[in-house]
Amino acid sequence: EDKVVQSPLSLVVHEGDTVTLNCSYEVTNFRSLLWYKQEKKAPTFLFMLTSSGIEKKSGRLSSILDKKELFSILNITATQTGDSAIYLCAALPYTDKLIFGTGTRLQVFP
Amino acid sequence: DSGVTQTPKHLITATGQRVTLRCSPRSGDLSVYWYQQSLDQGLQFLIQYYNGEERAKGNILERFSAQQFPDLHSELNLSSLELGDSALYFCASSVGNRAHEQYFGPGTRLTVT
Repeated sequence: EDKVVQSPLSLVVHEGDTVTLNCSYEVTNFRSLLWYKQEKKAPTFLFMLTSSGIEKKSGRLSSILDKKELFSILNITATQTGDSAIYLCAALPYTDKLIFGTGTRLQVFP
Repeated sequence: DSGVTQTPKHLITATGQRVTLRCSPRSGDLSVYWYQQSLDQGLQFLIQYYNGEERAKGNILERFSAQQFPDLHSELNLSSLELGDSALYFCASSVGNRAHEQYFGPGTRLTVT
């Protein structure tokens, strides 16, 4: 059965810290890995990774995919209180049915 | 604001009842996806419609059904409700069948008592 596992489940840090969120997957006909940020309600798209080893960056956030070891990481540097959210990763197989992990809850305190 | 609208925002109902959740996709989007997010299961894909036709099915219970109308809005019907159906239900839309370009609506929080 296809599955996506995220770790840690929860993370509490102080502003300015750097965090690394992990996502591993076992998905048949894997195509891409997506990261989302979920604050109060709807998930919002962060990154899509299709090729192994190519880092994607957006400001203080960056992500990379390892298709050999079947995992991805999301890094957030110099965290701010506005980064507090649930971060979801999702595997996208060629069936186009997104398979989500249960998420990592990040809390950033001043 | 993603442009996807969902009504109602909150719904409280009793076990055994039936409810209908409504979703209006972004202007121009032909695909609508439904998801269920519960505390223990995370976000789970239920079903996708493309231009009025069912395109993909996920872990949708037989008590649940959906449809997409000619104006492209979609409804998710949940019947014989159980306590375990309490969850956030999200709708998302995309232009075509491009699942990686989905925009999520704000969700409907369903509480079954």
